[in-house]
Amino acid sequence: GIQVEQSPPDLILQEGANSTLRCNFSDSVNNLQWFHQNPWGQLINLFYIPSGTKQNGRLSATTVATERYSLLYISSSQTTDSGVYFCAARPHGSGNTGKLIFGQGTTLQVKP
Amino acid sequence: DTGVSQDPRHKITKRGQNVTFRCDPISEHNRLYWYRQTLGQGPEFLTYFQNEAQLEKSRLLSDRFSAERPKGSFSTLEIQRTEQGDSAMYLCASKGDSYTEAFFGQGTRLTVV
Repeated sequence: GIQVEQSPPDLILQEGANSTLRCNFSDSVNNLQWFHQNPWGQLINLFYIPSGTKQNGRLSATTVATERYSLLYISSSQTTDSGVYFCAARPHGSGNTGKLIFGQGTTLQVKP
Repeated sequence: DTGVSQDPRHKITKRGQNVTFRCDPISEHNRLYWYRQTLGQGPEFLTYFQNEAQLEKSRLLSDRFSAERPKGSFSTLEIQRTEQGDSAMYLCASKGDSYTEAFFGQGTRLTVV
């Protein structure tokens, strides 16, 4: 099955710094989502981005489906950005189920 | 829009007991998914419902696990004879169709002692 790999696994930033999180996937995908998992465990939707670029405030994401990767950019980081970021892909040809395959996550810590 | 709701948020149970979790999806969503997340890992797919039909089950879903969605609305996940290895966060997600984004509930954190 498809493999989803995220890098780096851990990231420590000073408040105000910018960062780029990467998600590589081993096969074609029909959709890709980025999530932020809050300290209570809930997955918060950041982007639904099968291809192209989207921006939402200080966050933006780019997916290059033909090259099998997606990037999440965080600019001017704040302490509230801390947490675990997951990308999840819906494999192409996975039938009609729409299930997601998750990466292992990037744990981000933003220091004041 | 109340989002995806899960109950309970936390459950502590003794090994060997049965537990049942509930998920209420977003009302207009006909697709419902259960995932399991262990410490330090990403969520892993367990099972999928389209309306009331359970259409896919992961090999992670042992015989002790059963899921239902009797009227195509809420779903339940039951674990029989719990084991310590069942300790995890159980997440429910829903979506409107295959090509739209999935939304997750707050999860049920299970601890088996």
